[in-house]
Amino acid sequence: ETGVTQTPRHLVMGMTNKKSLKCEQHLGHNAMYWYKQSAKKPLELMFVYSLEERVENNSVPSRFSPECPNSSHLFLHLHTLQPEDSALYLCASSQDLSWAGGEQYFGPGTRLTVT
Amino acid sequence: KNEVEQSPQNLTAQEGEFITINCSYSVGISALHWLQQHPGGGIVSLFMLSSGKKKHGRLIATINIQEKHSSLHITASHPRDSAVYICAAVYGGSQGNLIFGKGTKLSVKP
Repeated sequence: ETGVTQTPRHLVMGMTNKKSLKCEQHLGHNAMYWYKQSAKKPLELMFVYSLEERVENNSVPSRFSPECPNSSHLFLHLHTLQPEDSALYLCASSQDLSWAGGEQYFGPGTRLTVT
Repeated sequence: KNEVEQSPQNLTAQEGEFITINCSYSVGISALHWLQQHPGGGIVSLFMLSSGKKKHGRLIATINIQEKHSSLHITASHPRDSAVYICAAVYGGSQGNLIFGKGTKLSVKP
């Protein structure tokens, strides 16, 4: 398998549930990212990991908890979400942590609906 | 405030037309990205540029640092070009903030 994969592609969860989103990159990249895309809003960067170390947390509520066990895998653990958290969650990777140095490769996204 | 503005918000074109999408930003940046998002969500990085012009197939991206403006051009447009085109500016150095525009939704009719 090549590129950046995400599972599941669709997820419906209640506000009291706990679920996890998974991202895997097969590109040998060192940096991985979580983005949120809500309807009618620009993409928002949530978390950045470089060599498995979190380097950015853009004021994201604690009900979102990232985990990067190794440079190929990234998880987003979800608990007690709110309906306004319904969005498309995109994972991306890049060779290095430099937005001015190269392109990012995106996964297909997980469409999350919180009921 | 670091902002990225795109225009137009929506664009409908006939197959074969030359298309221009604009992106402007508020202060100095270190780079600018153009992304393409197809229905269903998948995003593809088209260009990353910090000066001048880049070309890939029928796509051309230009940036004017003095005018704080970038354009994405599509020549001989095709229905498969229908997508949302997003620009994103890198503020504050190469590892600074990445600020996204709201996107331009392009629809190319056969």
